Amino acid sequence: GENVEQHPSTLSVQEGDSAVIKCTYSDSASNYFPWYKQELGKRPQLIIDIRSNVGEKKDQRIAVTLNKTAKHFSLHITETQPEDSAVYFCAAVEPSGGSYIPTFGRGTSLIVHP
Amino acid sequence: NAGVMQNPRHLVRRRGQEARLRCSPMKGHSHVYWYRQLPEEGLKFMVYLQKENIIDESGMPKERFSAEFPKEGPSILRIQQVVRGDSAAYFCASSPNSGSNTGELFFGEGSRLTVL
Repeated sequence: GENVEQHPSTLSVQEGDSAVIKCTYSDSASNYFPWYKQELGKRPQLIIDIRSNVGEKKDQRIAVTLNKTAKHFSLHITETQPEDSAVYFCAAVEPSGGSYIPTFGRGTSLIVHP
Repeated sequence: NAGVMQNPRHLVRRRGQEARLRCSPMKGHSHVYWYRQLPEEGLKFMVYLQKENIIDESGMPKERFSAEFPKEGPSILRIQQVVRGDSAAYFCASSPNSGSNTGELFFGEGSRLTVL
């Protein structure tokens, strides 16, 4: 099955700085890579995703990059704000027989200091 | 359109008791996933169900855990004879019908189980 590694586990930045979270995956058949944000005590929510036929995707202050050859993908947050503080999870989805079961990384706790 | 509804939000059980967690998917969604989240860990896949069918239960412990998604009513995750190690947040997620499945999951607020 798929295995997703995520680094770092904790990331502390000053407001206005950039933050980068990196993930690697093991199964070359994975073709969909979502990122979820989970605020303390809340549900995980999708913030951005990327498919394997695209190398980069941007949405305002958030961008994701994907390197299929190296099997790694990254989340970039620019001009961080205190409300960006949360746990971020990457995931890889391998379409197995029509089933779409995301495999998640262990999460990165992002702390943005005002 | 109501989101994914989970209940109870918090559940306390003593060792040996049973825990039942319920999940109603978003309207129009027929795929349900259960994940377990332990402190300082990620979301661990447990089981994937469609109406009246278990599609993939590769993440479910072999004993004490079971899940169902009946034709009518919510999906239920059942844990028998709970032990302290079962204490965790259990998240349910749903996704649309397979014809439009993008892989995106819509999560509920989670059910936090504490075993004393």
